[in-house]
Amino acid sequence: SQTIHQWPATLVQPVGSPLSLECTVEGTSNPNLYWYRQAAGRGLQLLFYSVGIGQISSEVPQNLSASRPQDRQFILSSKKLLLSDSGFYLCVWSRDNVLFFGSGTQLSVL
Amino acid sequence: RKEVEQDPGPFNVPEGATVAFNCTYSNSASQSFFWYRQDCRKEPKLLMSVYSSGNEDGRFTAQLNRASQYISLLIRDSKLSDSATYLCVVYSSASKIIFGSGTRLSIRP
Repeated sequence: SQTIHQWPATLVQPVGSPLSLECTVEGTSNPNLYWYRQAAGRGLQLLFYSVGIGQISSEVPQNLSASRPQDRQFILSSKKLLLSDSGFYLCVWSRDNVLFFGSGTQLSVL
Repeated sequence: RKEVEQDPGPFNVPEGATVAFNCTYSNSASQSFFWYRQDCRKEPKLLMSVYSSGNEDGRFTAQLNRASQYISLLIRDSKLSDSATYLCVVYSSASKIIFGSGTRLSIRP
């Protein structure tokens, strides 16, 4: 079966610290992968997407970066977190117009 | 300008009312369109796809207007259980997926 794993579920980090959120997909190959951020009660803001290993498209210029070192692995990173990076981060993969959502990471930058 | 714009609401309507949401998109080459429903702190769930010819699923009707670049969702005979945030989703290209900011709907008894 097709599954998506995202971790950690909750993260509290000080301003200026690094960030690494990981997402892995099982049961499929060559998926399109996405990182979104969702503010409370709002829609999902597209941050990055990838159609293949090493291929990253950035949508929002900011303090974050993404990498896809393996076909089914997508990583969201930051070298130095800002307060404004706080939010709920969702990993999503897509195939044939079907979307699969990770469980999300609630990031609080203090 | 955002690629996808959606009325944030909130819409607060009585049970049994008819309510409609719109969502506009800027990329005329956008290919696929969907409506998702999201309940508080849960993952979005696919509600229905949207086609130019219009499609209906029970009390829900979705419509795509390519000329004016918008999609709509109509909910008839609204139920308390329809209270949620409704997200339009636009495939701006085959691989770029944009979500609207969401429209919050509250149905009151």
